[in-house]
Formats: sequence, C-alpha cells, structure tokens
Amino acid sequence: AQRVTQPEKLLSVFKGAPVELKCNYSYSGSPELFWYVQYSRQRLQLLLRHISRESIKGFTADLNKGETSFHLKKPFAQEEDSAMYYCALWGYQKVTFGIGTKLQVIP
Amino acid sequence: DGGITQSPKYLFRKEGQNVTLSCEQNLNHDAMYWYRQDPGQGLRLIYYSQIVNDFQKGDIAEGYSVSREKKESFPLTVTSAQKNPTAFYLCASSLATSVRELFFGEGSRLTVL
Repeated sequence: AQRVTQPEKLLSVFKGAPVELKCNYSYSGSPELFWYVQYSRQRLQLLLRHISRESIKGFTADLNKGETSFHLKKPFAQEEDSAMYYCALWGYQKVTFGIGTKLQVIP
Repeated sequence: DGGITQSPKYLFRKEGQNVTLSCEQNLNHDAMYWYRQDPGQGLRLIYYSQIVNDFQKGDIAEGYSVSREKKESFPLTVTSAQKNPTAFYLCASSLATSVRELFFGEGSRLTVL
C-alpha cells in the first residue's frame, strides 16, 4: 500500500518568515514524489517533482529516503504563496495524495 | 484552448438518483483519473483509466461507475449506492501513466438534497 501523510492541516507564517510544509510517505518500491498547489479559485497544478531537483517560485523539496520524507521549503514566505499544498506519491499506476496543508501567509 | 473540461460545475441531486459527471480532454492524454475531494481528507482516487476501453478501481470505487469509450472522454456516474455522494469531484489526465504529471479540471460540486 502507498500512503502520504501531511501532519498539518493549517500552517500560518508571517511574510518573510521561512516555510516548511511537511510530507512523509510509505511505499515499498522506489517512489516518485510531487508537490501540487491550489491557489484560490484556480485549478490544482504541479508545483515541483523530486526528480527534477529544481526550485519553483522559490520552493524546494528534497527526497529523504531514510526518513521517508519530502518536505517543501521556502526561505522567505510571500503573500502570494497562500494556497493549499498537496504532497503526492506516484506509485504503481496511480497517484496518492495527502490531505493537504493550507498555507496562510500573514502580511 | 487545450485542457480538461468538467461539467457541470454545480449539480444537485435527490437521494436515490444516479448522476453522471462529464470529463473531456483535448490534450491527447492516454491516462485519465477521477478523484473525490473532501475537506480534511485530501484527494481520494475513485477510478482511473490508462487506455481506451480499460479502467481500474481506485481506493473508493464503491457506488461509482465509469466508462472509457473514447480517448478524450471519461465520464463518472455517481450511483444511488454511494452512501455519501455530496463532494467535490476532480478529473485529471496524464500523457501516460509513465509520464508523471497530472493535469486537472476545475471540478464539479455535487450536492445531494
């Protein structure tokens, strides 16, 4: 079975503060991990994937197989980062999502 | 304008009625998916299809049915057997299950009265 855990339903930070959205996973094979984001009144869309090892909108995420984690980080939060963030695991033929974390950036 | 179109955006249904949600894509994607989104539960996979005329149950398929007669279409029927059908339904597609990026529709909100 594959499972994704996002322990925080809501994360509130002040503008300019660092952000870390936590994600842990359970999967017996070699996982592919993703972060999806849903801004207000917009479609759910891909933010980044672990195999790309890229930074998107200042966000990065590193796959830690030892801790089975894929936390999303940004050094300085911006107001436009306020959104719903979903961690996702692509296992055998299907994608499993976490429950999501709502990031609220306080001006 | 390429993408995934879901219709209707809002739908009301009386208990005991079946209802079909439409999902159409013009991205020439092979794989299509239906998810249910509930507050505090994230996205849960209902059904997915990797190719025309083939589909598999996801994690919460009971009370739902699908068909995949055309590459671009993957309708979802919410049957009267679904005990708690009021939810937000999202359709997604990917080029193939090996090309791992999902593209989502805007969603359909179903309310059972």
